[in-house]
Amino acid sequence: SQQGEEDPQALSIQEGENATMNCSYKTSINNLQWYRQNSGRGLVHLILIRSNEREKHSGRLRVTLDTSKKSSSLLITASRAADTASYFCATLGHGSGNTGKLIFGQGTTLQVKP
Amino acid sequence: DVKVTQSSRYLVKRTGEKVFLECVQDMDHENMFWYRQDPGLGLRLIYFSYDVKMKEKGDIPEGYSVSREKKERFSLILESASTNQTSMYLCASSLPAAYGSNQPQHFGDGTRLSIL
Repeated sequence: SQQGEEDPQALSIQEGENATMNCSYKTSINNLQWYRQNSGRGLVHLILIRSNEREKHSGRLRVTLDTSKKSSSLLITASRAADTASYFCATLGHGSGNTGKLIFGQGTTLQVKP
Repeated sequence: DVKVTQSSRYLVKRTGEKVFLECVQDMDHENMFWYRQDPGLGLRLIYFSYDVKMKEKGDIPEGYSVSREKKERFSLILESASTNQTSMYLCASSLPAAYGSNQPQHFGDGTRLSIL
């Protein structure tokens, strides 16, 4: 079953603008991860935020986590055409043990127009 | 960098054929995963393996089996291919949570499989 739900499903912005994507999940988590997928390629890990963290930065990426609302957001600042891709959140639930089994959302498709 | 290699980018097979999808990783990861990705459905876990010869069913194992004879290789098998198995198949690997629970998954580029 899919735990993470991304919002919006699709987003189109101009180069230089910021892009914000949201993810909601249902059960308690160990961590939440964001991945990017370029068209026709595999997923690439972007950033991981632990359940006891509220905000994390990596370059132009900013991730927030609100465990009380079971939600996370990914902000891409000063977007570039190369940021055009699909973005997925994935959660590692409590009790996943050593398997590292993630549950992925359905993704947000971001188009950045030059 | 971790490299996960899937044997084919594109594959066309016929209904009823036995199909093998191969995945190899070069980072000595214990965990390996097979997903399928379909429009509107996201990524769905088919099977995963946390050690050689160990396997566990994911969310949609019906019609599939797997093999993990060596640590670096994880094979997905479609016993008798059907048209509803036309999809993008993604393989991933990761270290186990015993190395710290915050282990990302590393993906191959996928195999786009068409069953005619």
